[in-house]
Amino acid sequence: NAGVTQTPKFQVLKTGQSMTLQCAQDMNHNSMYWYRQDPGMGLRLIYYSASEGTTDKGEVPNGYNVSRLNKREFSLRLESAAPSQTSVYFCASSGIPGQRSGNTIYFGEGSWLTVV
Amino acid sequence: KNQVEQSPQSLIILEGKNCTLQCNYTVSPFSNLRWYKQDTGRGPVSLTIMTFSENTKSNGRYTATLDADTKQSSLHITASQLSDSASYICVVTRNAGNMLTFGGGTRLMVKP
Repeated sequence: NAGVTQTPKFQVLKTGQSMTLQCAQDMNHNSMYWYRQDPGMGLRLIYYSASEGTTDKGEVPNGYNVSRLNKREFSLRLESAAPSQTSVYFCASSGIPGQRSGNTIYFGEGSWLTVV
Repeated sequence: KNQVEQSPQSLIILEGKNCTLQCNYTVSPFSNLRWYKQDTGRGPVSLTIMTFSENTKSNGRYTATLDADTKQSSLHITASQLSDSASYICVVTRNAGNMLTFGGGTRLMVKP
């Protein structure tokens, strides 16, 4: 099992450019998440998807869009990148609470995004 | 406001020593509390998860405690190793679905 895989690992964008962060999990999890982590701050939820076909805004959704393409994949898109979106982005997934490891959230390795 | 506060922000200890990290939260209604370890440049990895009724839970040299009355948790690391150098993140889940509130983390450095 690869767990949660996200790409790219590093990306530099110019202000106004667009890009998509890709995420896939092979654990048959229902829920998937996108977080951003800024220095000195806790991870903040951007968007999440409780199941295939559904997405909901998190704490900091402005400037982002998401697509739950299928049960495995959950992508995050920046339509017009801004310097304030310079951050480390983590994709995560979790199973069904009550099932084995259902309450555990598994994180990808992170994507370092710099907007200049 | 739902918040998770961790202390200290950073800590340096010598290899072999014990340490305790603190987590205070105001998240309500409470569902569970998790401790994660995040190595530099990597994603967080789960150490423990505790529900309302659990006071203590161990994972090897890591022991987490929870006092749901005072809304405090601690993570005790015994006989520290160099590989324990990382950030330790306290995460509290509200009853309303999978909404997590993350603490800012404690950055631990273990020196030889």
